[in-house]
Amino acid sequence: LAKTTQPISMDSYEGQEVNITCSHNNIATNDYITWYQQFPSQGPRFIIQGYKTKVTNEVASLFIPADRKSSTLSLPRVSLSDTAVYYCLVGGNSGAGSYQLTFGKGTKLSVIP
Amino acid sequence: GAGVSQTPSNKVTEKGKYVELRCDPISGHTALYWYRQSLGQGPEFLIYFQGTGAADDSGLPNDRFFAVRPEGSVSTLKIQRTERGDSAVYLCASSLGGGMGFFDEQYFGPGTRLTVT
Repeated sequence: LAKTTQPISMDSYEGQEVNITCSHNNIATNDYITWYQQFPSQGPRFIIQGYKTKVTNEVASLFIPADRKSSTLSLPRVSLSDTAVYYCLVGGNSGAGSYQLTFGKGTKLSVIP
Repeated sequence: GAGVSQTPSNKVTEKGKYVELRCDPISGHTALYWYRQSLGQGPEFLIYFQGTGAADDSGLPNDRFFAVRPEGSVSTLKIQRTERGDSAVYLCASSLGGGMGFFDEQYFGPGTRLTVT
């Protein structure tokens, strides 16, 4: 399983763009990169997933450089309701029967008014 | 539409007792996952069902933990001889169950908070 490293916490003011970078140096060829968001007392919620280059949806963008050893989740113009823990996950069907999702500790984003 | 539901929302039990935690996945989702989450940590994988069978149970910590999904829908996580270290939030998730396996978009329930005294 690819190990991921992301900042433990980040602060941002409302209205700013927030970029959270995740390092995954030993990502495998068939691994995907997925981000989840978790609010207190709730289960995680899927945000975005990608394999390479850039993916954008209605809530976020995901930038993946050519070597795929890192990825950056970009949240445009954050609001107070974006205060949550953000998890970067890397993995996929390894073909060896085990393709678990491994959540680390995540990045606790605090949005300040 | 209805999301993933879990019952009970809270469960307090004494050390050594048996508990069952229930998960109702989203209708039509063939894949179901159990995780547990301790305070300040990310969810920790326990077991993954594809249909009725456990496709991956390598996350179950020991033989006190067991999960079933007899009809490919509702699942029950069973913990025997509970220990204080089992105290955590137990999360269930479901997904459509396509070729991405775990990397299908997973929809999580609110969790069951288990406290072992």
